[in-house]
Amino acid sequence: AQSVTQPDIHITVSEGASLELRCNYSYGATPYLFWYVQSPGQGLQLLLKYFSGDTLVQGIKGFEAEFKRSQSSFNLRKPSVHWSDAAEYFCAVGAQGTDKLIFGTGTRLQVFP
Amino acid sequence: NAGVMQNPRHLVRRRGQEARLRCSPMKGHSHVYWYRQLPEEGLKFMVYLQKENIIDESGMPKERFSAEFPKEGPSILRIQQVVRGDSAAYFCASSPTGALQETQYFGPGTRLLVL
Repeated sequence: AQSVTQPDIHITVSEGASLELRCNYSYGATPYLFWYVQSPGQGLQLLLKYFSGDTLVQGIKGFEAEFKRSQSSFNLRKPSVHWSDAAEYFCAVGAQGTDKLIFGTGTRLQVFP
Repeated sequence: NAGVMQNPRHLVRRRGQEARLRCSPMKGHSHVYWYRQLPEEGLKFMVYLQKENIIDESGMPKERFSAEFPKEGPSILRIQQVVRGDSAAYFCASSPTGALQETQYFGPGTRLLVL
């Protein structure tokens, strides 16, 4: 069965620092991978997605993620975090032939000035 | 082009009452997904619908929960005889074709509180 693990429940960084949020998935074939962001009291917004091709994916708001098949990982990165990036980040996986996304439990990002 | 709309945004019900959550997909989208987010957890898939059809309800609790997406009007998630454990945020997402490569656009959610 597919699953997604986000090992870090809560991360705190200083504004301007670099960021990496971890995501590991479990799925036999090449998965479809997504990162969503959820601001407090809001719905989810797609940051980026990966289906195939270049394993380094660029997203909105300066985020990028790298698909590493050997590590079953799809970590999200940003070189310089802004205070407005404080939010909850969810990694999700989907499989060909299915119609639903499987979400991780999320990582809450706190940004200090 | 308005995004996915959900109402109400907040809903308070007493145990045993019914809760009706509505979702209007983005214009041109005929595929709707419902997810539930329990406190401190990620989103869990509940049901996937197309107009007038339930495609996948593998995530729906077997009792008290039902969903529909009629030919006209919004999709409705209905919870009968609510219990405290139903307290959660319920999110609706829509996509144009249902293919997983298509982005699912999420609404702001309905936060249900059962007293």
